[in-house]
Amino acid sequence: GAVVSQHPSWVICKSGTSVKIECRSLDFQATTMFWYRQFPKQSLMLMATSNEGSKATYEQGVEKDKFLINHASLTLSTLTVTSAHPEDSSFYICSALASGGLDTQYFGPGTRLTVL
Amino acid sequence: AQRVTQPEKLLSVFKGAPVELKCNYSYSGSPELFWYVQYSRQRLQLLLRHISRESIKGFTADLNKGETSFHLKKPFAQEEDSAMYYCALGLSGGYQKVTFGTGTKLQVIP
Repeated sequence: GAVVSQHPSWVICKSGTSVKIECRSLDFQATTMFWYRQFPKQSLMLMATSNEGSKATYEQGVEKDKFLINHASLTLSTLTVTSAHPEDSSFYICSALASGGLDTQYFGPGTRLTVL
Repeated sequence: AQRVTQPEKLLSVFKGAPVELKCNYSYSGSPELFWYVQYSRQRLQLLLRHISRESIKGFTADLNKGETSFHLKKPFAQEEDSAMYYCALGLSGGYQKVTFGTGTKLQVIP
């Protein structure tokens, strides 16, 4: 089946630094990828929709200048948390949409970000 | 705006007992409903979707538009069913946005 990877799986950084998270579709092409954020014991909240070759679409309340998304190829989308602060600490999950037939979202394993 | 409600945070059942995880939705258009499952220390994965009308791992879910519900059911719970279950709603005609419910943790007691 389709596999989506994320790198790194966890990261600890100092307040004020930037962190880049990669999301890759390993055996299929994904024109659309999604980025979610999940707080402890809460549901996944969609942050943005990443479309290959175009600007990402951000959900209401998500700062596009803080959460930079780049979808430069059909298999890679990156999320950069700029000037991270402790309140940005969370679990970030990406998914990739496999096109053709019944579209299905395949999820990555997530990245745990801790900002000190 | 679309909304998904899962009223139970935790559902504990004994092995062999029937399971019903509740999900209600709010959406003005034609809904696409899904159930996702997340086993311990594993990634989120699709369990079933209403348009497929299939049974996966013994689970079924029927879309009831009158009651705006998409409850997940299984007649006999197994220990390996213990996991976090999320109901999700997609916009009609595509999957560009999926709204997740808050999830229900199913605990099957041996």
